[in-house]
Amino acid sequence: KAGVTQTPRYLIKTRGQQVTLSCSPISGHRSVSWYQQTPGQGLQFLFEYFSETQRNKGNFPGRFSGRQFSNSRSEMNVSTLELGDSALYLCASSLGWGNGEQFFGPGTRLTVL
Amino acid sequence: GDSVTQMEGPVTLSEEAFLTINCTYTATGYPSLFWYVQYPGEGLQLLLKATKADDKGSNKGFEATYRKETTSFHLEKGSVQVSDSAVYFCALNPGGTSYGKLTFGQGTILTVHP
Repeated sequence: KAGVTQTPRYLIKTRGQQVTLSCSPISGHRSVSWYQQTPGQGLQFLFEYFSETQRNKGNFPGRFSGRQFSNSRSEMNVSTLELGDSALYLCASSLGWGNGEQFFGPGTRLTVL
Repeated sequence: GDSVTQMEGPVTLSEEAFLTINCTYTATGYPSLFWYVQYPGEGLQLLLKATKADDKGSNKGFEATYRKETTSFHLEKGSVQVSDSAVYFCALNPGGTSYGKLTFGQGTILTVHP
């Protein structure tokens, strides 16, 4: 089975711009979760989508949004980028029930200048 | 809310040394517990898991036991290798309405020297 894929792998933007990141889950997985990883804050949960509905949301401003399509692929969007948004954004997929085991993609490295 | 606390790093060991990375958690109910590993420039890989009290997860020589009485899930390996150098994260999933949300510890950097 193919793993979780994320595109693009690297991205450079300037302050004020917006960005869209994409995630394709493992085939058959219906849940996609997004995390932000930074040296200072570690790994922080952004949101989770299950069957095209946001099921959980972390403590991030409204500039961070996401969606999930009928094929379970997911996108996250960050509007009005700030320098502090520079981070590794990780996507994880899971079945959506059971023990909560999640499988992670390689991440998208976003740099905001 | 839920939280995970890992021992502060970094941890530096010689090859074939014994490894312990401490992890304690706070959660309501009966969470599932995980150890993930992250190699440089990569995403997280699941190392092992335990879903109920007294379960022992194991993989690639690593072990951890879910101790509800001490709310702990310490990672151990009897003989580390240079290839084990990575960052290790302890995590919990509370289940229920927060099913899709993993809460992570701050990570422990492990460096193994030949």
